[in-house]
Parts: sequence; C-alpha cells; structure tokens
Amino acid sequence: GNSVTQMEGPVTLSEEAFLTINCTYTATGYPSLFWYVQYPGEGLQLLLKATKADDKGSNKGFEATYRKETTSFHLEKGSVQVSDSAVYFCALPHRGGAQKLVFGQGTRLTINP
Amino acid sequence: NAGVTQTPKFRILKIGQSMTLQCTQDMNHNYMYWYRQDPGMGLKLIYYSVGAGITDKGEVPNGYNVSRSTTEDFPLRLELAAPSQTSVYFCASSWGGGADTQYFGPGTRLTVL
Repeated sequence: GNSVTQMEGPVTLSEEAFLTINCTYTATGYPSLFWYVQYPGEGLQLLLKATKADDKGSNKGFEATYRKETTSFHLEKGSVQVSDSAVYFCALPHRGGAQKLVFGQGTRLTINP
Repeated sequence: NAGVTQTPKFRILKIGQSMTLQCTQDMNHNYMYWYRQDPGMGLKLIYYSVGAGITDKGEVPNGYNVSRSTTEDFPLRLELAAPSQTSVYFCASSWGGGADTQYFGPGTRLTVL
C-alpha cells in the first residue's frame, strides 16, 4: 500500500518566522494528498488538499504543492502566528480506490511570541 | 449540522471492565472510522465501516468490537479493558473512501487503571 514519511518534530519557531514541514510519499499512481491539523484538545481537521500532480492546496495562509518529480507535499507558511501551534499530519489514501487514509506520524509545531 | 459527535468526553475504567464509546454523524456519510491516538503518537486505525452492516478491521483491532446498524451510528465496544487501551479515541466519517475529506469528532479520553 501507499505510505508517507513526515518530518519529525517537535518544531519550535518564533512568531512571523517561515515554516516548512516536510512530507514525502510512496504511492502507486497519483493519489490525492492531504494535510490535517490537530489543535490542542481537539480532533483532526482538514487543512488543505491537492487532488492531482502539480496542484497547490492552500488555506489559512498555508500552502502545499503536489510534486510528483520529488514525491513530496511539503507544508509551508510565510509568517506563522502563535495560533498556528498544533500538530500537523500528512496523509494519503492507503492505495488506489482505497477505503482508508494513511497518516504520517505528525509534527508538533510550537510558535513562541 | 453537529458533524461528528462522541460520548463520553472522558472515562476512567478499571482493568477488566467493559464500555461502549458512542459516535454519531449527521452528514449522511457512508464511511466511518475509529482511531486511537496514544500520547505523542500518530493515529492508528482500529476499525472502519463502508456502510450500514459492513465493518472491517484496521491496524489494531484486538480488544475492540464495532457494529454499524444505521448510517448515523458507529459504536466502539471495549471488552475486558486493559491498561494498554489507555488512549484518546477519535471517530471520523467521510462521504467516500480514502480520497475524501474525513471529519473528526472531538475525541474520548480513556484511562484504564
């Protein structure tokens, strides 16, 4: 089945810093790719997604580009805020036509004022 | 819409006790999932369902049971609770399978002593 490898954390940055969280995948074909975010004490929620190669997903100032050449889907934000402190998960379908997702191990991000 | 709701929010069990974690979604989603999240770790899939009357095992099904008698409800049963089942449990739902956005509940924090 498909798999995903995510940058290990934790990551600590100062407010307004540039953020990159790396995610690489192994997959058959070109499945949809996802970033989910988990704020403290909450369940996961979709942050952004890309459904085909070269697509860029974006939301709340975050962006990620589906790069098939490097099998990557890195999450970026130009200027982080304290409110971005959370755990971020990269994910993709288990395999083509799959009924379930495969999640990365998560990256804990802390933003200091 | 309430989305995905889970009860209870917190529970403490003694070793050997049993309990049912409730999950309900009001989005008419076909797919429902149960995950557990151990401290500092990613998500592990316990069971999932692709529709009423159909369930299948995930990565870590031992010690758990599920049923799906309606589209809306997907309860998770713990029999003979063990300390290894101390975790946060999340229910999620989606319209389609792996390529569709999953919507998560707020979680149930379970401690087995």
